[in-house]
Amino acid sequence: EVQLVQSGAEVKKPGESLKISCQASGYSFATDWIAWVRQMPGKGLEWVAMIYPADSDTKYRPSFRGQVTISADKSISTAYLRWSSLKAADSAIYFCARYRCGGGRCYAGDWGQGTLVTVSS
Amino acid sequence: DIQMTQSPSSVSASVGDRVTITCRASLDISNWLAWYQQKPGKAPKLLISAASSLQSGVPSRFSGTGSGTDFTLTISSLQPEDLATYYCQEASGFTFGGGTKVDIK
Repeated sequence: EVQLVQSGAEVKKPGESLKISCQASGYSFATDWIAWVRQMPGKGLEWVAMIYPADSDTKYRPSFRGQVTISADKSISTAYLRWSSLKAADSAIYFCARYRCGGGRCYAGDWGQGTLVTVSS
Repeated sequence: DIQMTQSPSSVSASVGDRVTITCRASLDISNWLAWYQQKPGKAPKLLISAASSLQSGVPSRFSGTGSGTDFTLTISSLQPEDLATYYCQEASGFTFGGGTKVDIK
């Protein structure tokens, strides 16, 4: 059974750093893309970034490039999303998702439970 | 970036009704489209890939059609458990539509 287990809720102050995680099991972690998807309170889904753990190739939505960093550790089948300096506007639920790709098309068949990030002074 | 526009933004229907949601892409995306269901407080779930391919375990009352720029998700007979927000996503640049909230009357 494929599982994506995310780290717990975080409460941070503006300017602080944060790294959230997504541990995968039940499939070959290195050879499928893992993405992070943001959902701001009461809003829709926004794709943030994705990584191919086998070679650490990354893709970022342009509006998130430079704002967050995606990474992965193949040895422990875990993907990360990191902020160096949080803003209140980063407050959201962040989902990780496993994307299976073929012919340039990718679909997210498995999702983590979500990590709530709250940034408030 | 390809823009994905869903309509309506919300729909309220009775149990047994047919519900249709549309998704329009700003460019031709062939059949590179997915539909996801997100129930309140839960993670999204993949319903349909490649515009019309129903995922294993998804009830047959859900169907997807379309290609190019115009796509449709249909629930043929709405059930109480279909209360959710539905999103389309184009499958190469990963842009989501804005979502359609389905309520039960």
